Amino acid sequence: KAGVTQTPRYLIKTRGQQVTLSCSPISGHRSVSWYQQTPGQGLQFLFEYFSETQRNKGNFPGRFSGRQFSNSRSEMNVSTLELGDSALYLCASSSWGENTEAFFGQGTRLTVV
Amino acid sequence: AQSVSQHNHHVILSEAASLELGCNYSYGGTVNLFWYVQYPGQHLQLLLKYFSGDPLVKGIKGFEAEFIKSKFSFNLRKPSVQWSDTAEYFCAVTSNAGGTSYGKLTFGQGTILTVHP
Repeated sequence: KAGVTQTPRYLIKTRGQQVTLSCSPISGHRSVSWYQQTPGQGLQFLFEYFSETQRNKGNFPGRFSGRQFSNSRSEMNVSTLELGDSALYLCASSSWGENTEAFFGQGTRLTVV
Repeated sequence: AQSVSQHNHHVILSEAASLELGCNYSYGGTVNLFWYVQYPGQHLQLLLKYFSGDPLVKGIKGFEAEFIKSKFSFNLRKPSVQWSDTAEYFCAVTSNAGGTSYGKLTFGQGTILTVHP
């Protein structure tokens, strides 16, 4: 079955702009989580969505937001981009519940100039 | 605060050497434990997972890990590494402690493994 699909793969944006990243989970998976990966901070949890509701949120400013649609696809948005937002943004999908594993997409490489 | 710590930032080995990567976590409640691998230019892939039961779990590509609850540890091992094991390895934990759901993975800092032929 198809894996987690993230689009676009690469983005270059200017400071102050906003950006929207998209994630299509594995078919049948209803939970989507987002992570930011940087060389300095490693992998950090942004937020988790299930049934179109945010279930969990990491320690990021309000400029980072997300949503989930009825087909489980998810988007994350970063407004007023800063240079420090340059990172690899990873999406993971899983089924909901206690003993589940997350499957990751290839990520979107965002560069802010 | 919940945290995961990996002992080594960079490990360099020769082929056929044995590998052990350390991982410790600080969590209350029930935990699920994972090791992920990220090969150069590729996405994160699950190596193995522990939910419950036998604390010695076997994963793909000959990797195994042992959950020692009393030490809050989940170390990754492989008896004989290959050049193709060169990658970055991440230990990760989920928990229902503090009202969080099992969907939030907390990762260690990662260990870069370089295997020389």
